[in-house]
Amino acid sequence: AQKITQTQPGMFVQEKEAVTLDCTYDTSDPSYGLFWYKQPSSGEMIFLIYQGSYDQQNATEGRYSLNFQKARKSANLVISASQLGDSAMYFCAMRGGYNQGGKLIFGQGTELSVKP
Amino acid sequence: GAVVSQHPSWVICKSGTSVKIECRSLDFQATTMFWYRQFPKQSLMLMATSNEGSKATYEQGVEKDKFLINHASLTLSTLTVTSAHPEDSSFYICSAEVPSMPQSPLHFGNGTRLTVT
Repeated sequence: AQKITQTQPGMFVQEKEAVTLDCTYDTSDPSYGLFWYKQPSSGEMIFLIYQGSYDQQNATEGRYSLNFQKARKSANLVISASQLGDSAMYFCAMRGGYNQGGKLIFGQGTELSVKP
Repeated sequence: GAVVSQHPSWVICKSGTSVKIECRSLDFQATTMFWYRQFPKQSLMLMATSNEGSKATYEQGVEKDKFLINHASLTLSTLTVTSAHPEDSSFYICSAEVPSMPQSPLHFGNGTRLTVT
């Protein structure tokens, strides 16, 4: 069975500083994808970044980077130079291979608040 | 590209009535769509996987007779909440997979806030 764990219900960060949101996962599937989504109060799910299980390098997308440590089964999201608009819920998610039905399962989420 | 449209964005209904939520892929064909439910301040919980032309696969604990899913075309999946009760009030959100990109991120609709009075 697949499992995603986010242990930080809420995080605060000062504007312009960097913040790391933690995510650990568990799966027996050798092929999987790890994702981070942002959900503002309006409810839409905004895709931020993707890391494949066979990717050798950590993924980066603008101010977002994913610290992928496969042996530790962690996929932490790093947001650099935080902005007020970054305040939202952040979800880590995992998608297994077709033997897992291609399902995307989510962690519990972390509510990030950026302080001016 | 890869836009998913969900309708309605919010709905209020009386207890005992049924509500249909539509999920459309606008610029791609989606053989597989997923339906999620989210309570306030909680995570997205997968309800079912909707496959075009076949029966949906429901997650454990989800009542298939209560939450009817139909995926009649490659661009449309519907979720019908039958005989709705106040405890069915929640945020429902659909997502779709681009078939040629199985490990790509799922594309989400904007969700539907259902309130049952």
